[in-house]
Amino acid sequence: SYVLTQPPSVSVAPGQTARITCGGNNIGSKSVHWYQQKPGQAPVLVVYDDSDRPSGIPERFSGSNSGNTATLTISRVEAGDEADYYCQVWDSSSDHPNVVFGGGTKLTVL
Amino acid sequence: QVQLVQSGAEVKKPGASVKVSCKASGYTFTGYYMHWVRQAPGQGLEWMGRINPNSGGTNYAQKFQGRVTMTRDTSISTAYMELSRLRSDDTAVYYCARSSPQYSYGYDYWGQGTLVTVSS
Repeated sequence: SYVLTQPPSVSVAPGQTARITCGGNNIGSKSVHWYQQKPGQAPVLVVYDDSDRPSGIPERFSGSNSGNTATLTISRVEAGDEADYYCQVWDSSSDHPNVVFGGGTKLTVL
Repeated sequence: QVQLVQSGAEVKKPGASVKVSCKASGYTFTGYYMHWVRQAPGQGLEWMGRINPNSGGTNYAQKFQGRVTMTRDTSISTAYMELSRLRSDDTAVYYCARSSPQYSYGYDYWGQGTLVTVSS
C-alpha cells in the first residue's frame, strides 16, 4: 500500500518560514492536499491539488509537489499557525483504491 | 451555509456495534461523495471509506472490509457509518467529510466529530 512520510515535528520562530514535507513514491504524479488541525477541532483544508488555496486561506500558505516530495510552505509564520498538518492523496495504483494520509507534523511556533 | 452535523458521543462494549450519523445541510446531498475518517487519541487521521450518496455505492479501506457499512438516507440528507465487532483500539473520534470536485476532491467540509469509546 502507498505510504506518505512526514516529519513528526517542525519548529519555527514567528515571522520565519516553515516547510513541512510529505514523502511518497513518485508523489509528484499525484494530487496532494494539506490539512491543518488544531487541538479539539476538525481538520481544515489549507492547500489542494498540490498548490491551490481554498477561499479564505491566507496567501501565506502555499504548496509544491515534485518527484518524491510534496511540501507545504507557511510564510511569515504566526502563533495561530501552531497546529498539526497532514498531507493526503488518493491512491489508485492498486486494485483497491483508497485515500492515504501522512502521519502528521506538529508545527511549533517558538 | 454548508453544515455536517454528527450524532453524539457513544460508549460501547467490546464486540458491540456503533452507528454514527452525519446530517448534511446547505447543499445538494446527492452531489458530493461523503467520506469517513477516524482519529484515535493522540494519533493521526485514518481513512475508513466513502459513499456516493446518489447511488449508494461504497468503497471501504481494506482494513475495515467486513466490519464497516456505510449507508445513506437521501430523504433526510443523512449519511451513516456502522462499525461492528468493536475493539478497544476502535476508540477514536469519527468524522464525516465532504469530498468536493471544486477542490480536486479534497475535503472542504467536516463534521464536528463523534467520540466513540470502546470499553468493558
